[in-house]
Amino acid sequence: QSALTQPASVSGSPGQSITISCTGTSSDVGTYNYVSWYQQHPGKAPKLIIYDVNNRPSGVSNRFSGSKSGNTASLTISGLQAEDEADYYCDSYTSSSTLVFGGGTKLTVL
Amino acid sequence: QLQLQESGPGLVKPSETLSLTCTVSGGSISSSGYYWGWIRQPPGKGLEWIGSIHYSGTTYFNTSLKSRVTISVDTSRNQFSLKLSSVTAADTAVYYCAGHPSLVYFDYWGQGTLVTVSS
Repeated sequence: QSALTQPASVSGSPGQSITISCTGTSSDVGTYNYVSWYQQHPGKAPKLIIYDVNNRPSGVSNRFSGSKSGNTASLTISGLQAEDEADYYCDSYTSSSTLVFGGGTKLTVL
Repeated sequence: QLQLQESGPGLVKPSETLSLTCTVSGGSISSSGYYWGWIRQPPGKGLEWIGSIHYSGTTYFNTSLKSRVTISVDTSRNQFSLKLSSVTAADTAVYYCAGHPSLVYFDYWGQGTLVTVSS
């Protein structure tokens, strides 16, 4: 199972919106609405911010939203804040009953 | 609110077996209906799912690691464990245990433990 494809880095200024893509195949992202997104600050465990493509866990800011089109899922962060600077990972369920993560995207808030 | 804590040796010799345990508190490992998984992250790199187990004993593995991985549950101790055999330096990573309500996303994570493979 190959890792999902994410851009290595994205950046934005405070208040702006950014989008991080996560590209898979018809065996994972394209078939299942089981894409999740995690935020990871340095030295910390990942934190779930989106599940099942576009659902937010309780307590997660509504500035985070998810979507999917075809084999590509996307995470959008609106109203960018300094605290959003972190690494972001997507993952997806696959047709082999396994899970696969993306390579991760480093978000820099300028 | 579930809490998870990894424990085990921080240093393992090449060719030996890495063994880690995750202790779950704040809920029963068998009554919550959760799946319990292991994820690792080599230094400076991304996340890799290793495998997961349902409290009933059903297991799911990353196909690239399946031949070397064993995951088990001890309901009496509210723990689940990971064994990774024949380790090499490439297995050096922070290992996280995590809980997931379905086999598709992880909502509870341990703090992670660094395991270094070196002689």
